[in-house]
Formats: sequence, structure tokens, C-alpha cells
Amino acid sequence: RKEVEQDPGPFNVPEGATVAFNCTYSNSASQSFFWYRQDCRKEPKLLMSVYSSGNEDGRFTAQLNRASQYISLLIRDSKLSDSATYLCAVLSGTNAGKSTFGDGTTLTVKP
Amino acid sequence: NAGVTQTPKFQVLKTGQSMTLQCAQDMNHNSMYWYRQDPGMGLRLIYYSASEGTTDKGEVPNGYNVSRLNKREFSLRLESAAPSQTSVYFCASSGGGGADEQFFGPGTRLTVL
Repeated sequence: RKEVEQDPGPFNVPEGATVAFNCTYSNSASQSFFWYRQDCRKEPKLLMSVYSSGNEDGRFTAQLNRASQYISLLIRDSKLSDSATYLCAVLSGTNAGKSTFGDGTTLTVKP
Repeated sequence: NAGVTQTPKFQVLKTGQSMTLQCAQDMNHNSMYWYRQDPGMGLRLIYYSASEGTTDKGEVPNGYNVSRLNKREFSLRLESAAPSQTSVYFCASSGGGGADEQFFGPGTRLTVL
């Protein structure tokens, strides 16, 4: 079993739709969690960190469920510009800053 | 600030050739990383350096060596390139000590024939 697993996707949604991605992790000692966005042929960029209490940034909401060991990303009112691959990353807490990334979920928002 | 820079952006090698990928960051980060990303796949950690003077193997270190030249620079060397090393290589850095989000360079697209 992979240490970090994401919904396989791809997700194809119309503009204005709400879409949610999940990411499960196997190490219960994991401490920090992140969502990154990667555009085609570009480098990943941090979208948002995921806090225990959940956090929201505009149309994006990230949540952490430690009991079930997963994080989620909710995108409301999808825009064409949201089309990208979304990578989750989990930091185990050892070896300062070494995160494990999921394989990514590809989102395509269509007009 | 340039953030994380990588050179070269593109490279074509023949099997058996060697090359070094360069990475530098100007954010005074402690930790630096080298990843490879194959088509349709996520990032796989090759090597990382938690702080200046230290390096450790990641998930896929075979065929690679690294040097943490100083706090700013972290290079990745392929001693004898193989077609299986055709990939996109990303360098990243993070502050460490709790500042764990990573900042990535633009990547090097390497093809080994």
C-alpha cells in the first residue's frame, strides 16, 4: 500500500460545480499536510496547508480527519482556471521537512 | 527574490553520458530536495538534504549522487545515464524546523536516448 493515496480521477466538471478530492495517508504519526497545485508542464505550487481545525481560502476548503487518516480539498464554484493537477503531501515528522506526495488528481473544468 | 532556480531547463543525453543538474535557492532555506516526476505520476524523492552538510537517500536514489555545496546550492549528478532516467527533475527547498511547505524550481526535462 502506498504511503499517500489520492482519488485516481480524472475529474471532469462543468463551470460552477463543486468538486471534492480525498487523500488518505497510512502513517498515523503524520504531522503536517498540504495541497499543491500543478499546471501542465509546470512545477507544483503550494495551494494551501491543512490545519486540524480545517481552513478556507476563498472557494477552497481543506479539512483533516485524523481518525480516518485522510485530508480533503473542496472547490466551490469551479472556474476554468482551476483546471490542473492537485497533489496532496504529508509530512511524517521525521527528517525535517521530508514530505511524501500523492500521485495527484487531475481536474478539468469545462465551459 | 528568484526563489528556486534550476539549470539546465532541457537536456538530451546518450546512454552512458554523465551530467550534473544544478539547483540554487535564495530564501535561506535549510532543507533541499531532488524529485523526479514521470508522466502521469506523482513526485518521487531521489535525495534530500535536511541541512547544510547532510544528505540522505529518498525513495529512488539508485543511479544518482548529490552534493550540498553550501546552504544555497544542491546539485544532482547522473554518473552514467540510462533511458529509465528520462524524466522531469524538480528541485525544492523548505525552511525546515516547522516551516515545511516546499518551494519548487521550474524543473529540468531530461531525455536519455
